[in-house]
Amino acid sequence: DIQLTQSPSFLSASVGDRVTITCRASQDIGNYLAWYQQKPGKAPNFLIYAASTLHSGVPSRFSGSGSGTEFTLTISSLQPEDFATYYCQQLKSYPMCSFGQGTKLEIK
Amino acid sequence: QVQLVESGGGVVQPGRSLRLSCAASGFTFSFFGMHWVRQAPGKGLEWVAIISYDGSIKYHADSVKGRFTISRDNSKKTMYLQMNSLRAEDTAVYYCAKGLGYCTSNRCPSPWDYYYYMEVWGEGTTVTVSS
Repeated sequence: DIQLTQSPSFLSASVGDRVTITCRASQDIGNYLAWYQQKPGKAPNFLIYAASTLHSGVPSRFSGSGSGTEFTLTISSLQPEDFATYYCQQLKSYPMCSFGQGTKLEIK
Repeated sequence: QVQLVESGGGVVQPGRSLRLSCAASGFTFSFFGMHWVRQAPGKGLEWVAIISYDGSIKYHADSVKGRFTISRDNSKKTMYLQMNSLRAEDTAVYYCAKGLGYCTSNRCPSPWDYYYYMEVWGEGTTVTVSS
């Protein structure tokens, strides 16, 4: 099984900060990775796919990069609405897929 | 607009069954693969199952294989999750989600990974397995 490990698990930051969340895979997954945002009590929102492609309508302050085993989600300037939990998802274990354990981004 | 609405959740005893539904609107349901994903209380996301646009291909997570079955009725624009032999560890919010990739008739032009990216999600339905 392919394991995804996100770091950090918890992150405290301020509005306007630049933040980076890392997702590491236990084996090479190419660029078959997506990122989702989830606010408390709500369904996840789709942000990025194929490691670096921004989904339509997602603000440009979000960006993704990486390939192989290490990936990053960067928010260039945190906005109040960005405080949420973020999950990465890998597809290399087709026909299954799996998610990372999540990174909770909190207001400092 | 694209909308997914889950229903059918509730409180059920261990070993019993439940069927969840996901009603779709705002898009051509029969063109898209669909997923079920669950989230146990206070935990992360767990992929449960995927079904192809026409229902001919289905895959289930190992944790539910042999107990849960995904299906769809394109005439009703609805997807289902039949859950049998429920266990306490199945307690979760169950979300349905629409894949990014699409198919028309018997042609699927999207890259294979697009079927696994979950573009739109419902608000979820809660399943509690408890005696």
